[in-house]
Amino acid sequence: ETGVTQSPTHLIKTRGQQVTLRCSSQSGHNTVSWYQQALGQGPQFIFQYYREEENGRGNFPPRFSGLQFPNYSSELNVNALELDDSALYLCASSVQGRGNEKLFFGSGTQLSVL
Amino acid sequence: GESVGLHLPTLSVQEGDNSIINCAYSNSASDYFIWYKQESGKGPQFIIDIRSNMDKRQGQRVTVLLNKTVKHLSLQIAATQPGDSAVYFCAEKPGGYNKLIFGAGTRLAVHP
Repeated sequence: ETGVTQSPTHLIKTRGQQVTLRCSSQSGHNTVSWYQQALGQGPQFIFQYYREEENGRGNFPPRFSGLQFPNYSSELNVNALELDDSALYLCASSVQGRGNEKLFFGSGTQLSVL
Repeated sequence: GESVGLHLPTLSVQEGDNSIINCAYSNSASDYFIWYKQESGKGPQFIIDIRSNMDKRQGQRVTVLLNKTVKHLSLQIAATQPGDSAVYFCAEKPGGYNKLIFGAGTRLAVHP
């Protein structure tokens, strides 16, 4: 186990709703990254947080937003949910800096949008 | 666009055989590469990584080979076991970026 915990494990929402996913990073890690994994595909980078600020973003619209807290935990918020947002959302923690590119993933939150 | 692709979507091997999973990457500026294993219902689990200044790196029963000339990465698993059955992803990190770019994955099925 990596020590990265995510909640909830499963979630069902309807189109147009908003959702908040949570992540606690591994002890000693100061950076959190979020990835979206559609069924049968590899994870896609959403964004990364370091020192409570966004530190890189993938090709996701602004309705995907995040937060990082002083204890390095993080939230992913998605507004105006669309059917295509149905996916496994993965959180990964790491330590910022060269030589620390290895990401440690949680088990993810499976989001279904109906 | 950016992409990390895999040559074989599914690989079936006999228990005890060696497995080789291949991956092609497209970004010549990538300076770090990593292999993950993902079992059903779990997040990706780190297997092995390699930097662009290396050609080969070995771990326990696993070896990663990097050929920068043809932008090719491979994962070799020795004496494949049933517990190795999973989806394997390669990923690259473009230099200067804080993200990993994952391929679509290869499913490894180990038969007794």
